[in-house]
Amino acid sequence: GDSVTQKQGQVTLSEDDFLFINCTYSTTTYPTLFWYVQYPGQGPQLLLKVTTANNKGISRGFEATYDKGTTSFHLQKASVQESDSAVYFCALYTGYQNFYFGKGTSLTVIP
Amino acid sequence: DPKIIQKPKYLVAVTGSEKILICEQYLGHNAMYWYRQSAKKPLEFMFSYSYQKLMDNQTASSRFQPQSSKKNHLDLQITALKPDDSATYFCASSQVGGLSQNTLYFGAGTRLSVL
Repeated sequence: GDSVTQKQGQVTLSEDDFLFINCTYSTTTYPTLFWYVQYPGQGPQLLLKVTTANNKGISRGFEATYDKGTTSFHLQKASVQESDSAVYFCALYTGYQNFYFGKGTSLTVIP
Repeated sequence: DPKIIQKPKYLVAVTGSEKILICEQYLGHNAMYWYRQSAKKPLEFMFSYSYQKLMDNQTASSRFQPQSSKKNHLDLQITALKPDDSATYFCASSQVGGLSQNTLYFGAGTRLSVL
């Protein structure tokens, strides 16, 4: 069945460090892939959306790419700031209102 | 202004009681969802509705009943509350079809504590 795996539970970085979070997915469809960010006390917010057509998305300094060959997709940022501290979820859409979420990566950025 | 309104923001209930969580979306979407988030399960899908009809139910218990009185409403009734039901409940919506289709948007959540 369709699924997404996000193994990095917690990541701690210093300001200006490089961020890289990885998810892998499994589906027989042409998926749409998402990254959501959740700040404390708030609901998840859409950060980036990547489709098989565009392969890449960029927003607020974050970049999302996907690799069909390895069925993986990544979120990266060249230089994180303390304000980026949040939980990041990857998600997979496979059709018919079916969304699959990873377990989330809690990012802590130390000033 | 928030486009998905969830009420109340915080809710405290006693074991065995019944509560209704309210959700209204003003994004013009035709699909709505409920998710639950707790320390044990980060983001757990519960229900999806499309055009006010149930599409998918991944909730094992019949104590959880979604109610859709209007196209942009999807409330969640929870009966016989248990302490294990303590979690934050998120409502979400998406558009089926169209240019902005198939992207989930979430409300701010209702944090439920069952004593």
